[in-house]
Amino acid sequence: DSGVTQTPKHLITATGQRVTLRCSPRSGDLSVYWYQQSLDQGLQFLIQYYNGEERAKGNILERFSAQQFPDLHSELNLSSLELGDSALYFCASSRETGYQPQHFGDGTRLSIL
Amino acid sequence: GESVGLHLPTLSVQEGDNSIINCAYSNSASDYFIWYKQESGKGPQFIIDIRSNMDKRQGQRVTVLLNKTVKHLSLQIAATQPGDSAVYFCAESGGGADGLTFGKGTHLIIQP
Repeated sequence: DSGVTQTPKHLITATGQRVTLRCSPRSGDLSVYWYQQSLDQGLQFLIQYYNGEERAKGNILERFSAQQFPDLHSELNLSSLELGDSALYFCASSRETGYQPQHFGDGTRLSIL
Repeated sequence: GESVGLHLPTLSVQEGDNSIINCAYSNSASDYFIWYKQESGKGPQFIIDIRSNMDKRQGQRVTVLLNKTVKHLSLQIAATQPGDSAVYFCAESGGGADGLTFGKGTHLIIQP
């Protein structure tokens, strides 16, 4: 158990809809990362937050957004969903930024019908 | 863009033998490297990391080797066990960016 909690584990929705994925980082971790894993693209970094502030963006679509709250939990919002957004979405956390191992949750599997 | 890649998609080893999983990277700015293990239905699990100021680091039954000259990273698993069966990913970051770039993964299969 990594200590990173993601909910829900599975999500099934339709094209055009909007969903919110939630992540609770390990106790004491200030940095939260979101990744997408798909068969064709592999694991891709989306976005990072540190202590409530956005720190870095990766391959995140404009339809996607995230935030980190004062209690350090994070949410990833996906809107105007398309079939191609079907994937596993992982959250990871680390104590600080820099040379820190990132610890991953078990992901949310998003299926778009 | 630059990315991290793996040489073999599948590696089959006998139980009890040593396993070596290789990874090549192309970003010269990469200065931090991590190996992850991912089992079916789970998220990537941290195994071991190494910074670019080192060329070798050992953990419990695992060793990571870094060759910066040829931009090559390897993970050695000693006395491979059935529980080691998983997909292994190398990942890197650098240049002040914390987001990890992952390789495509190697599926390690343990033969009895």
